Amino acid sequence: GAVVSQHPSWVICKSGTSVKIECRSLDFQATTMFWYRQFPKQSLMLMATSNEGSKATYEQGVEKDKFLINHASLTLSTLTVTSAHPEDSSFYICSARIRGDINPEQYFGPGTRLTVT
Amino acid sequence: GQQLNQSPQSMFIQEGEDVSMNCTSSSIFNTWLWYKQDPGEGPVLLIALYKAGELTSNGRLTAQFGITRKDSFLNISASIPSDVGIYFCAGRGAGGGADGLTFGKGTHLIIQP
Repeated sequence: GAVVSQHPSWVICKSGTSVKIECRSLDFQATTMFWYRQFPKQSLMLMATSNEGSKATYEQGVEKDKFLINHASLTLSTLTVTSAHPEDSSFYICSARIRGDINPEQYFGPGTRLTVT
Repeated sequence: GQQLNQSPQSMFIQEGEDVSMNCTSSSIFNTWLWYKQDPGEGPVLLIALYKAGELTSNGRLTAQFGITRKDSFLNISASIPSDVGIYFCAGRGAGGGADGLTFGKGTHLIIQP
């Protein structure tokens, strides 16, 4: 149980274009999902917290207009990287908490490798 | 913001040896989590700790939540080749369950057969 999927698993796009990444909880409902970014050989950095039916909460230094987050349902959150640039190339990972779970365990997706050329 | 210091950064050990890694924080955490990440994949939860002083095992893995609430360690006994990977500690502070996690920088475990 507690499986999280991401799509696509990898994507290559040209500079200036937008890319959408999906995060789905497959066997549970998630009122809260999180988006992380990981550069090679580095740790995960929290970008934003996504709450179903409300606006996402962004961490300091993360541009809201560049990283658009939509949590449209209890099983789906999307991250759109707008006007992507090479410096946006990274590994993007989402996680989700089980709805109603009093414990803060987060279950992670397999990640999406974004390469901007 | 909150920061976690994880050590060692990397470990080169022989198969069968025991492994120990730890995390310390400058602030108090309410929850400590230990994850393992394989290359190109998302982290997988190994052990979750919720109370100061708590000692929890998962097979050959044992982790403890420090009594000061500012540290945690993870031990792996009798290491095997599939233990290779990057281990991250993660903590959740006092902001509530909706908070994202703060991650340590990871311990890269390499096992020589």
